[in-house]
Amino acid sequence: ETGVTQTPRHLVMGMTNKKSLKCEQHLGHNAMYWYKQSAKKPLELMFVYNFKEQTENNSVPSRFSPECPNSSHLFLHLHTLQPEDSALYLCASSPTGQGAKNIQYFGAGTRLSVL
Amino acid sequence: KQEVTQIPAALSVPEGENLVLNCSFTDSAIYNLQWFRQDPGKGLTSLLLIQSSQREQTSGRLNASLDKSSGRSTLYIAASQPGDSATYLCAVTPGGQNFVFGPGTRLSVLP
Repeated sequence: ETGVTQTPRHLVMGMTNKKSLKCEQHLGHNAMYWYKQSAKKPLELMFVYNFKEQTENNSVPSRFSPECPNSSHLFLHLHTLQPEDSALYLCASSPTGQGAKNIQYFGAGTRLSVL
Repeated sequence: KQEVTQIPAALSVPEGENLVLNCSFTDSAIYNLQWFRQDPGKGLTSLLLIQSSQREQTSGRLNASLDKSSGRSTLYIAASQPGDSATYLCAVTPGGQNFVFGPGTRLSVLP
C-alpha cells in the first residue's frame, strides 16, 4: 500500500460516454501526476499539478480534462474517447514539485477499455 | 529530447543467480534517476532513487549505480528469488517534473 488510492480499478466505456477517474492521497504531498501506460510503450506523463495548479500538460488531447480541487485529490474527466485511449492510467504524488530527492508514489491504476 | 532505453527487454534466470539490468539516457543533465518495480496490472513501487551527485544506492539485495557522464545506470539484484519477478523501470528527472521513463525490463526468476 503506497498511500495513493485510485478508483475505479477497472472501467469500460463507449466512445460517447463521459466518465471520471479519481485519485486520492493522504501523504501530505503537494504534487500530483497523471500518467498513461499503453501496451508496448513507455509510461507517458500527462499532467502535473503543484499546490492545485497545473504546471505541466504534455500535449494531451482535450478529451482528457484534469481537475485538482485540493492537494489531496486529482480527477481525470474523460469524454468522447477513442479506442486507442484504452490503457492503464496511473496517478502519482510526490512531496514537492522538484528537486533531486523528489520520490514519486504511485497508485495501482485504473484499467480503461474504450469500446 | 531526453530518451531512456532499457536492456534487455526481457530476462529469465534461475533462482539464486545475480543479475544486472541496464538503463541508458541520452541527456546527462538530470536531477535524479529512479528504479521502480511494477507487478502485472499494478502500479509502480519505487525501489531506489539516486541523486545526480551520487554514484550508487543500496537497499537490501538491490544496488543501483549511476554514471551521469556516460548516461548509464545499472540495477544489480543479488541472489534472485521468484518473488523478484516483475517489470523493472528506470526513470530520469531531466528538470522540473517531467519524469521520463524507460520501456522496462520484464524479469522472470524461475524456481
